[in-house]
Amino acid sequence: DIQMTQSPSTLSASVGDRVTISCRASQTIYTYLAWYQQKPGKAPTLLIYKASTLQSGVPSRFSGSGSGTEFTLTISRLQPDDFATYYCQQYTSHATFGQGTKLEIK
Amino acid sequence: QVQLVESGGGVVQPGRSLRLSCSASGFTFGTYGMHWVRQAPGKGLEWVAIIYSDGTNENYLDSVKGRFTISRDNSKNILFLQMNSLTAEDTALYYCVRDRVVVNPQWNFDLWGRGTLVTVSS
Repeated sequence: DIQMTQSPSTLSASVGDRVTISCRASQTIYTYLAWYQQKPGKAPTLLIYKASTLQSGVPSRFSGSGSGTEFTLTISRLQPDDFATYYCQQYTSHATFGQGTKLEIK
Repeated sequence: QVQLVESGGGVVQPGRSLRLSCSASGFTFGTYGMHWVRQAPGKGLEWVAIIYSDGTNENYLDSVKGRFTISRDNSKNILFLQMNSLTAEDTALYYCVRDRVVVNPQWNFDLWGRGTLVTVSS
């Protein structure tokens, strides 16, 4: 099974900051990686797939990069609506998620 | 509108069964692979099962294989998850989820329901 590890587990930041969340796969997943945002009490929403392709309707301040085993999600200028938990997910072999990164207001 | 609505969750004793349903609307249900993804209370996301658009192919998380069965009725736009021999480790919010791509599933998920809570407890 492919394991996904995100870092950090918690991230404190302020509105307007640029933040980066990392995701590492236990073996190569090429670019078969997606990112999701989940707010408390809500279902996750898809932000990015194929490592760097923005899902329709997602603001351009979100971007993704990486390939192989190392990936990043970047939010260029944090907005109040962005404070949430973020999950990466590999889909080269079934589907497995990272443990999540909680983005908190500093 | 485009939506997925789950039902069928509840409190069940260990070893018993439960059947979840998911009603789809607003899109051509029969052209999408569909999944169940669960989230234990306060925990992360865990993919559970997939069924392909025509219902001919299924796949499962190892820990539920042989106990859970995913199925669909494309004439009624409904997805099911039959869960047998439930254990406390199956306690979670179960989401009905649509694959992002029609026909050939890509195993990433662009439409989620609100979830239905399954609690396994004596």
